[in-house]
Amino acid sequence: GAVVSQHPSWVICKSGTSVKIECRSLDFQATTMFWYRQFPKQSLMLMATSNEGSKATYEQGVEKDKFLINHASLTLSTLTVTSAHPEDSSFYICSARDDRPPGAPDTQYFGPGTRLTVL
Amino acid sequence: QKEVEQNSGPLSVPEGAIASLNCTYSDRGSQSFFWYRQYSGKSPELIMSIYSNGDKEDGRFTAQLNKASQYVSLLIRDSQPSDSATYLCAVTFDTDKLIFGTGTRLQVFP
Repeated sequence: GAVVSQHPSWVICKSGTSVKIECRSLDFQATTMFWYRQFPKQSLMLMATSNEGSKATYEQGVEKDKFLINHASLTLSTLTVTSAHPEDSSFYICSARDDRPPGAPDTQYFGPGTRLTVL
Repeated sequence: QKEVEQNSGPLSVPEGAIASLNCTYSDRGSQSFFWYRQYSGKSPELIMSIYSNGDKEDGRFTAQLNKASQYVSLLIRDSQPSDSATYLCAVTFDTDKLIFGTGTRLQVFP
């Protein structure tokens, strides 16, 4: 159980284009999902917290108009990188928090990640 | 600023030995503590979670938490080459957001 998928697993795009990444919780509902970014040899940095039916909460320094997040259902959140540039090239990882009690309500399950390369 | 600190390593141990990974955190109000394993090019995989002081064992893994010292560790017994990866310590503070350490790279050699 507690499987999270991401699509696509990798994408190459031209500078200036937009890219959408999907994150799905396959066997549980997730009111809250998180989006992370990881540059080579660095740790995961939280970009934003995505809540179903409401606006995402962005971390300091993350441009909300550039990284659009939509959490339209309890199993799907999307991240759109708008007008992508080479410096946006990174490994984007989502996680989902299982809504079901009991257990550890704050345990996050990670998707496999999406590697974005902007040319 | 709330921080989670780990030694970046690499920590090299022979096969069959015990690997000891350490993590300190800055906020005494921290509630939940996690260890994730991350293989190169892959996303993190949850190994252990721990919420109260003391030890928690799961197979070859033991997590240890000492809130007074703001210290959490992970012991891997009978280390295998397949355990070679980066181990990330993560802590939640006053929200459900995870703050990650920079990770410790573990190398288990045959």
